[in-house]
Amino acid sequence: DQQVKQNSPSLSVQEGRISILNCDYTNSMFDYFLWYKKYPAEGPTFLISISSIKDKNEDGRFTVFLNKSAKHLSLHIVPSQPGDSAVYFCAASAGGTSYGKLTFGQGTILTVHP
Amino acid sequence: KAGVTQTPRYLIKTRGQQVTLSCSPISGHRSVSWYQQTPGQGLQFLFEYFSETQRNKGNFPGRFSGRQFSNSRSEMNVSTLELGDSALYLCASSIGTPAYEQYFGPGTRLTVT
Repeated sequence: DQQVKQNSPSLSVQEGRISILNCDYTNSMFDYFLWYKKYPAEGPTFLISISSIKDKNEDGRFTVFLNKSAKHLSLHIVPSQPGDSAVYFCAASAGGTSYGKLTFGQGTILTVHP
Repeated sequence: KAGVTQTPRYLIKTRGQQVTLSCSPISGHRSVSWYQQTPGQGLQFLFEYFSETQRNKGNFPGRFSGRQFSNSRSEMNVSTLELGDSALYLCASSIGTPAYEQYFGPGTRLTVT
């Protein structure tokens, strides 16, 4: 039972354009969502997060949008840079006593071409 | 601040043996979570410790265990290793309450032969 799904295994974008990574979830108990970026042979790096009481959070080139009714979130990277090429994971937490437990999607490989 | 550190970075073990992995969280962080990453299953939650107590547990067999010390450092142990235990084991730390953001270490690559 995959509660967090990233349906696009890969995404290819030209440098300077927008990258949009998508994530769907099924568990309505999730109330906090995070995006991580991962390079090979390294641990995931935290990028940006959003609480379920918001529908948008922005940090520099990264914006996360949350649509609770559709149980969908997306990460926008504008403008995309070659250094953004990595695997991106979305993750969700149910809060309460589950603070320390993150449920991850399968990841999307982003390639930004110069 | 120093990041999360994990030792060792690489490990090769034989089926049936046991292994202990270590994690030192970011200073001031009281929660340590462990995850297993494999190509087939992705990133899966193993367990989380907060103030030396296991607060959450994932769906892994009892061969997987952990503990946390008073300085928040954590260890995880896998007994009776199986080939399928070959994976990248990641440790993450967070402030603990109620912070959701977790910061990951570089991982320990375990190979079981």
